[in-house]
Amino acid sequence: DTGVSQNPRHKITKRGQNVTFRCDPISEHNRLYWYRQTLGQGPEFLTYFQNEAQLEKSRLLSDRFSAERPKGSFSTLEIQRTEQGDSAMYLCASSSGGETQYFGPGTRLLVL
Amino acid sequence: GNSVTQMEGPVTLSEEAFLTINCTYTATGYPSLFWYVQYPGEGLQLLLKATKADDKGSNKGFEATYRKETTSFHLEKGSVQVSDSAVYFCALWGYSSASKIIFGSGTRLSIRP
Repeated sequence: DTGVSQNPRHKITKRGQNVTFRCDPISEHNRLYWYRQTLGQGPEFLTYFQNEAQLEKSRLLSDRFSAERPKGSFSTLEIQRTEQGDSAMYLCASSSGGETQYFGPGTRLLVL
Repeated sequence: GNSVTQMEGPVTLSEEAFLTINCTYTATGYPSLFWYVQYPGEGLQLLLKATKADDKGSNKGFEATYRKETTSFHLEKGSVQVSDSAVYFCALWGYSSASKIIFGSGTRLSIRP
């Protein structure tokens, strides 16, 4: 069990650029979640996959955001035309279907 | 909808003091309750959980009891250490939340030597 990994750990970009983050879940976990955490707040749910199917998307996930999990293993989260308000920590979590989710270290995004 | 309210911080204590961080929730049905901890520069770690009423979750000297009658899940520790300095999040998960975890806003804890 190597835990959930996320890359990159930090990303600085200029407004208007596209960015992509990757999440590798715990290997036997079929559920994968993305959350966003802004400074001083708790994480907020963005989207959820069961295997390769994206089953739920939060209204926080504007049309500039897209997430994929093409083979039911790793997932990517892309933000197009980044805005300063997208600056946050993006957290990935995985689970085997129970109530416990295991979180990765996060990707901290700063949009200048 | 489901929600979690937790004690605002920051909380500053001296080493070996008793800690309580209050957490209450609103949910339909019978959610599972969690405390997660976030150390500086790191992601979230599950600290403890309870899945039904009157269950007590415990780990690393921390405890929390699922109180359905008061819809609470307060975090306690009898003697805190400097290494406990972190941000603590109360959270819930229930079927009505469609699998997502709902977090409180977090409580920053600082322990003075």
